[in-house]
Amino acid sequence: KQEVTQIPAALSVPEGENLVLNCSFTDSAIYNLQWFRQDPGKGLTSLLLIQSSQREQTSGRLNASLDKSSGRSTLYIAASQPGDSATYLCAVWLGVSNFGNEKLTFGTGTRLTIIP
Amino acid sequence: DAGVIQSPRHEVTEMGQEVTLRCKPISGHNSLFWYRQTMMRGLELLIYFNNNVPIDDSGMPEDRFSAKMPNASFSTLKIQPSEPRDSAVYFCASSLGDPNYEQYFGPGTRLTVT
Repeated sequence: KQEVTQIPAALSVPEGENLVLNCSFTDSAIYNLQWFRQDPGKGLTSLLLIQSSQREQTSGRLNASLDKSSGRSTLYIAASQPGDSATYLCAVWLGVSNFGNEKLTFGTGTRLTIIP
Repeated sequence: DAGVIQSPRHEVTEMGQEVTLRCKPISGHNSLFWYRQTMMRGLELLIYFNNNVPIDDSGMPEDRFSAKMPNASFSTLKIQPSEPRDSAVYFCASSLGDPNYEQYFGPGTRLTVT
């Protein structure tokens, strides 16, 4: 069974700092990995999607990397802002490319607080 | 586009009652996902549909839960009978198709079973 772990569970950093969030998974036979953010009382917002054949994806101040062999992904946030405060979750699609055989597993999330 | 629409936003019901949650996916999306989120178990995928057909319902906790997607623009998740341990936030999400596409989440339905 695929297990997805995010450490730490919570993180506080001063505004302006760069930071890294971690995601690890036990089964490397993944189809892709996605990073989401969730604001309190809201649904999830997709941030980045990395295909299994890719090493990284970038969007603005966000950069996500993927190392399948070691079962790890990182989300790098540059020049953090108070608006970045949220819970960040990674999710892994496990399986082959035929849609219908994949399993989607979410990590437990990292609650990020940016201190003004 | 209005995004994924869920109703109701909040539901409080007594144990044993039937609960129906509703979801309208984004127009043009052909995959729909139902999730449950609790403090104890985090976010769990319950079931997902592709082109209105249930693809994987292995996440559905038990027979009290059922989901339908009668057409491309509507889905329901039903719990009958409801129990206090079903209390959670239920999310619906939709996407353009296979896992390569981003999922767009609705605002969720907060269910409380007393």
